[in-house]
Amino acid sequence: GDSVTQMEGPVTLSEEAFLTINCTYTATGYPSLFWYVQYPGEGLQLLLKATKADDKGSNKGFEATYRKETTSFHLEKGSVQVSDSAVYFCARSGRTGANNLFFGTGTRLTVIP
Amino acid sequence: DSGVTQTPKHLITATGQRVTLRCSPRSGDLSVYWYQQSLDQGLQFLIQYYNGEERAKGNILERFSAQQFPDLHSELNLSSLELGDSALYFCASSATPGGAGDTQYFGPGTRLTVL
Repeated sequence: GDSVTQMEGPVTLSEEAFLTINCTYTATGYPSLFWYVQYPGEGLQLLLKATKADDKGSNKGFEATYRKETTSFHLEKGSVQVSDSAVYFCARSGRTGANNLFFGTGTRLTVIP
Repeated sequence: DSGVTQTPKHLITATGQRVTLRCSPRSGDLSVYWYQQSLDQGLQFLIQYYNGEERAKGNILERFSAQQFPDLHSELNLSSLELGDSALYFCASSATPGGAGDTQYFGPGTRLTVL
């Protein structure tokens, strides 16, 4: 079935460190891939997305590339800030014709000054 | 602000009771989705409506039901509540009924606590 496997957390980094959060998905069809972020006490916000193989999504210094050969969509940022502390969710779209999302378990990131 | 509104923000009730959660989609969006976020199950898709019709169903219990009204707002009804129903319930909306790349915008959620 459709699923997403995400790197377990929590992740604690110092400010300006490099961030990678791994995400792999099941290769059923050709899904769209997303990263959502949930700041403390808030709902989910779309961070970036990619709709086909080799697409790179980017936003706010975060990047992720749709890798069909490795069924991965790893999230990266070159220099994290304290304000990036949040929970990050990787997600894939469902079957063609439906738009429901399948989410990973979430990775809590804490950035310390 | 995503443009999706949910009420109430918090809800505390007792086992066996029934509650209704309300969602208003972004202006112009015809699809509404409901998700449940719990500590043990993570974020799970419950159900989708498009322009008043049920479009897709996920892991929604028979005790739960939803509908979308002509003005496109949606309600999620949870009945015979159990302790395990305590969770954060999110509503999301999108412009289309389904399709790769269509973005879902999430509301702030309703936190349900069943005592």
